[in-house]
Amino acid sequence: GESVGLHLPTLSVQEGDNSIINCAYSNSASDYFIWYKQESGKGPQFIIDIRSNMDKRQGQRVTVLLNKTVKHLSLQIAATQPGDSAVYFCAESLPGGTALIFGKGTTLSVSS
Amino acid sequence: NAGVMQNPRHLVRRRGQEARLRCSPMKGHSHVYWYRQLPEEGLKFMVYLQKENIIDESGMPKERFSAEFPKEGPSILRIQQVVRGDSAAYFCASQALGETQYFGPGTRLLVL
Repeated sequence: GESVGLHLPTLSVQEGDNSIINCAYSNSASDYFIWYKQESGKGPQFIIDIRSNMDKRQGQRVTVLLNKTVKHLSLQIAATQPGDSAVYFCAESLPGGTALIFGKGTTLSVSS
Repeated sequence: NAGVMQNPRHLVRRRGQEARLRCSPMKGHSHVYWYRQLPEEGLKFMVYLQKENIIDESGMPKERFSAEFPKEGPSILRIQQVVRGDSAAYFCASQALGETQYFGPGTRLLVL
């Protein structure tokens, strides 16, 4: 698998590898976090979310980890597939807030 | 259950013309958000509306931009006297109270 400790704008992996995409969020008061996947020419697609009272949440092939101490969020994708190729964005929301604050995206490229 | 719908998908306007972007939320969703995305960037919040009410327009430019969500029909984002800097992808998201925001496919506005 391949992981990055800091946010990188691009990540290239081989099919079958595990991918880790990192995000530093901006506000320590944020209590809700979401990962979106955006394919070219399409809108953001919900992948997984997590609230600040949790450190980890798992979905199908995806896991989100939250480290509130350093304001860090990561998305792990197991057994990455070519269809996972897209731009991935993290987003945060403040308590009682409504608007999402988006982080910088990471372009994931999966080669066969 | 249809997702969030936006139309038109592509819109070309000349400088000085008006652009009207429409968004129909998912069934059962009464909250609508508009975001703007410039090339190679994340989404930026513009405005949050509920039926017949603007709740938060802190991300909306003060001039030329307006939004509405009438009791009947879609939400409308209106840009008057468009300039080239308005060229962007505009995304609508809808939400049921307390739930995740789900995005539409976007309208790509090109100002010539």
